Amino acid sequence: GDSVTQMEGPVTLSEEAFLTINCTYTATGYPSLFWYVQYPGEGLQLLLKATKADDKGSNKGFEATYRKETTSFHLEKGSVQVSDSAVYFCALSGAGGTSYGKLTFGQGTILTVHP
Amino acid sequence: GAVVSQHPSWVICKSGTSVKIECRSLDFQATTMFWYRQFPKQSLMLMATSNEGSKATYEQGVEKDKFLINHASLTLSTLTVTSAHPEDSSFYICSAHPRTSDTQYFGPGTRLTVL
Repeated sequence: GDSVTQMEGPVTLSEEAFLTINCTYTATGYPSLFWYVQYPGEGLQLLLKATKADDKGSNKGFEATYRKETTSFHLEKGSVQVSDSAVYFCALSGAGGTSYGKLTFGQGTILTVHP
Repeated sequence: GAVVSQHPSWVICKSGTSVKIECRSLDFQATTMFWYRQFPKQSLMLMATSNEGSKATYEQGVEKDKFLINHASLTLSTLTVTSAHPEDSSFYICSAHPRTSDTQYFGPGTRLTVL
């Protein structure tokens, strides 16, 4: 079945540091890929998405590129801020059939950014 | 746009009682809603897919008779935890996606504590 593997956390960075959170996936067909963010005490919010190979999703300075050849969707940001401290989830959406629309999540990566 | 609400945000109940959690899409119609469970510091696990006007589809290992799901309208799904026990204590999250999009929007979650 479908699966998502994220880099283990927690990740602790200083403000303005470069961020990479690795995400790889296993899926049949051509899934859509997502990054969701969960701020303390809040629900999950869509951060960015990509629906086909070589697409780049971007939002709020974060970027991720859908790499089919390496089955990866790594999240990057050039300069993190304290307000980026949150839990980040990589996810994929089933490509079709009975799995359409179902999200499979990675285990989540806790990011803490210090001033 | 694309706001999903949940009610209540938290609930404490005695063992053996039943608890109902509501999930509403406030500004769009959702033929499909999803229910997830999130344990502390862990990822979201899909429990079931709720389809408007038909029976819910449960994931393997989820007890249908314990977690009753009703999708009464295009904007409302309810999850009832019947005869709750302490091991049912968890964070329950719903999501929905508009008919024309594969992006899911998440509710803020409901913290259930069973004493």
